This record gives sequence, C-alpha cells and structure tokens, in this order.
Amino acid sequence: DGGITQSPKYLFRKEGQNVTLSCEQNLNHDAMYWYRQDPGQGLRLIYYSQIVNDFQKGDIAEGYSVSREKKESFPLTVTSAQKNPTAFYLCASRRDTEAFFGQGTRLTVV
Amino acid sequence: KNEVEQSPQNLTAQEGEFITINCSYSVGISALHWLQQHPGGGIVSLFMLSSGKKKHGRLIATINIQEKHSSLHITASHPRDSAVYICAAPNSGNTPLVFGKGTRLSVIA
Repeated sequence: DGGITQSPKYLFRKEGQNVTLSCEQNLNHDAMYWYRQDPGQGLRLIYYSQIVNDFQKGDIAEGYSVSREKKESFPLTVTSAQKNPTAFYLCASRRDTEAFFGQGTRLTVV
Repeated sequence: KNEVEQSPQNLTAQEGEFITINCSYSVGISALHWLQQHPGGGIVSLFMLSSGKKKHGRLIATINIQEKHSSLHITASHPRDSAVYICAAPNSGNTPLVFGKGTRLSVIA
C-alpha cells in the first residue's frame, strides 16, 4: 500500500546538535511539506517542495534546511540555529485534492 | 491565503453525546481534510471531502462548498474519541495545506 513513512517516531538530541528527520513516500506525489506543531498550537509550515530539486520556505523556515534530490524523499534537518527545536514535526504529500500525512516525529532536545 | 477557523477550541462531552465540530475557510477549495491526533500520538487522516457527506463508523463529515463550511460529527461518543480534531484546506493546486488550530475533545465516561 502507498503511504508516507516518517522516522523515527520519537527522537532525542542534545542541544547544539543538528538532527535530520526522514520523510519517504511511495505515492508518486510531486508536492511534499514539513509542518511543526507546538503544544496547544496549530501546525505551521516550515518548508515545502512542489518538484524535485526545488523547495520553498514556509512561515517558520529559520533554523531548518531541506533537500529534494528524489521525488520520494524530503528530509528535514533541524540545525543548531533553531532556537526552540523541541516540537512535533509532520510530513505530508499532495497531488491535487489527495493528501497523505505521516505519523509525525516528536523531537525533544535536552 | 486561506484562513481556516475551527470551533469550538475545546469541547467536553459525556459519553454517548452527539458531537459537532465546525470548520470554516475563506478561500474556495477543491477538498477539505479532517484529521485526528490522540494525546502524544501521531496524525491520522479521517476524511477528505470535496462535496456532500462522508461516513465512517460513528464519524460523519459534511461540507458546504458555497458556504465554505464543514462539520465533523461524532455519534454515540466514547472516551476513546478523546483527541484533537483538525481540519485542513489548500489554497489551490499543490499549494500547502492550511491547518485549523484544532478542537480538543474530551469525552467523559
């Protein structure tokens, strides 16, 4: 079955370390997205990509980086420049009206 | 940019009650999504709606494209329905989904 896989589900990192969150889809969707959720708040857009080798900043891109070398993969790196990295991260993909969502990665920086 | 508003923000219900969560959006869309998030858990996609109504078990979702409004109903609510329910709508094409802030539902036995 097609879908999106995010890994890992839970991730712990020390402050000052970069960390990369994985997002893979086998749906042949062109568009992929990364969102961040803080406790009690809605999901906010970090980065998105509508085609391979191209991506755009969302509303809260500072301190994050992405790549889109393959259609299936859209990894997100949380860099040490991100002031408050502890959050829930959600990956999604779309084609027209069809959208799929990953299970999310809960990142805790200690 | 599409503005997506949900109401209520928080909802407490007794087991067995009929529950309605509302979602309105500002820009015409082709489809709207309803998602569920359990405490500390991931996101589960419940419905994608282009028109009319969809039903899955005790969950019913409706959408009125002209009024830019959608509702999620839960019949015979149960404590396991306690979760955050989120609606999401696109601007157009493959542009990013805009999410509502969610409705936190607590169903008490």
